[in-house]
Amino acid sequence: DAGVIQSPRHEVTEMGQEVTLRCKPISGHNSLFWYRQTMMRGLELLIYFNNNVPIDDSGMPEDRFSAKMPNASFSTLKIQPSEPRDSAVYFCASSLQGLAGYEQYFGPGTRLTVT
Amino acid sequence: AQSVAQPEDQVNVAEGNPLTVKCTYSVSGNPYLFWYVQYPNRGLQFLLKYITGDNLVKGSYGFEAEFNKSQTSFHLKKPSALVSDSALYFCAVRESDDYKLSFGAGTTVTVRA
Repeated sequence: DAGVIQSPRHEVTEMGQEVTLRCKPISGHNSLFWYRQTMMRGLELLIYFNNNVPIDDSGMPEDRFSAKMPNASFSTLKIQPSEPRDSAVYFCASSLQGLAGYEQYFGPGTRLTVT
Repeated sequence: AQSVAQPEDQVNVAEGNPLTVKCTYSVSGNPYLFWYVQYPNRGLQFLLKYITGDNLVKGSYGFEAEFNKSQTSFHLKKPSALVSDSALYFCAVRESDDYKLSFGAGTTVTVRA
């Protein structure tokens, strides 16, 4: 398996622009997580999907952030409008929930820089 | 509420020496414990996990971890460190019936030749 795939790997954009991050989970996995990693806050869970349904979005910073999972093999995280404080590395992770002790598998991340 | 503490920001060891990265946790119920490693500009890579059973868990790249319920610890160990083990290590915990994984702040390991 190719693992979790994220695109783009790097994104540089200007404040106010829309940013869309993409994720393809591991085939057969039924859970998907979006995380944000910064030096100040470490790893933060933004949103969790199970069977394509958003279960917990309490970590989404504000209304500028939205996430979708239209099918089992694709998810997007959108920031509109973007702000400099959104600069971070965004990770997507997937897992097979239902098995005891399932672990999450992470993608390579998207490094977002908002100027 | 669940939480993880990694008391050391940095661990420095010489190649060939034993490596230990400390982790303590707090959960209300039964803990599922995980270790991940992150190399520069890469995602987190799963190393090993404790779910139940034997307190000593073996994982990838020669790493192992020992679950200690009385001390609520899950320290990561490697008998003989390599320069290539230099990376950022994260301990994580979740309750057995929960989906949310709580990560520690991470420990940077540097192995000098």
